[in-house]
Amino acid sequence: QKEVEQNSGPLSVPEGAIASLNCTYSDRVSQSFFWYRQYSGKSPELIMSIYSNGDKEDGRFTAQLNKASQYVSLLIRDSQPSDSATYLCAVTGNDYKLSFGAGTTVTVRA
Amino acid sequence: SQTIHQWPATLVQPVGSPLSLECTVEGTSNPNLYWYRQAAGRGLQLLFYSVGIGQISSEVPQNLSASRPQDRQFILSSKKLLLSDSGFYLCAWNGGGQQPQHFGDGTRLSIL
Repeated sequence: QKEVEQNSGPLSVPEGAIASLNCTYSDRVSQSFFWYRQYSGKSPELIMSIYSNGDKEDGRFTAQLNKASQYVSLLIRDSQPSDSATYLCAVTGNDYKLSFGAGTTVTVRA
Repeated sequence: SQTIHQWPATLVQPVGSPLSLECTVEGTSNPNLYWYRQAAGRGLQLLFYSVGIGQISSEVPQNLSASRPQDRQFILSSKKLLLSDSGFYLCAWNGGGQQPQHFGDGTRLSIL
């Protein structure tokens, strides 16, 4: 069973600041890494996928992966109130299954 | 484009009653399909997954079962619900391999 740990939160940031979310995973053979955003009462929505070491940028979101350290992070630049949600880190290995972290709740203060 | 439909959106059932939740995917063929449960304030727990018609793998022993009668249809069932079955049930699909999973809108199940 892959274990995925996220910083516990909640994380409160002022509007316009950078929100930094961290995730570590236990299985060294993990191959694919995802960040999902989940608004309260809604289902998770994929916001980022990353498969190789380094940074991947998509708009205001940047995912960073370091397989040697078994660490993946998500940066949200210029945070907006609409970014207030729970962010789930998910990891998959050599099977079909995703393992999810418990999530980090982000609140952006106007 | 692909879409995933899940119903009903909310359901209130008495303890001991049966359950049937349905999920269908459009716009793709032979998807991998998944059922998850999310308890209040908790992470997602994988319940079942399927890589093809009639092929079901169970992750957690419990009183739930799953079936895949058609390529793009996935059903979650129970003969007798327990209080502990309350939660947010999510269906997801992907195209296999290391592709990301995409979720339906979920069913919020309350057991009385």
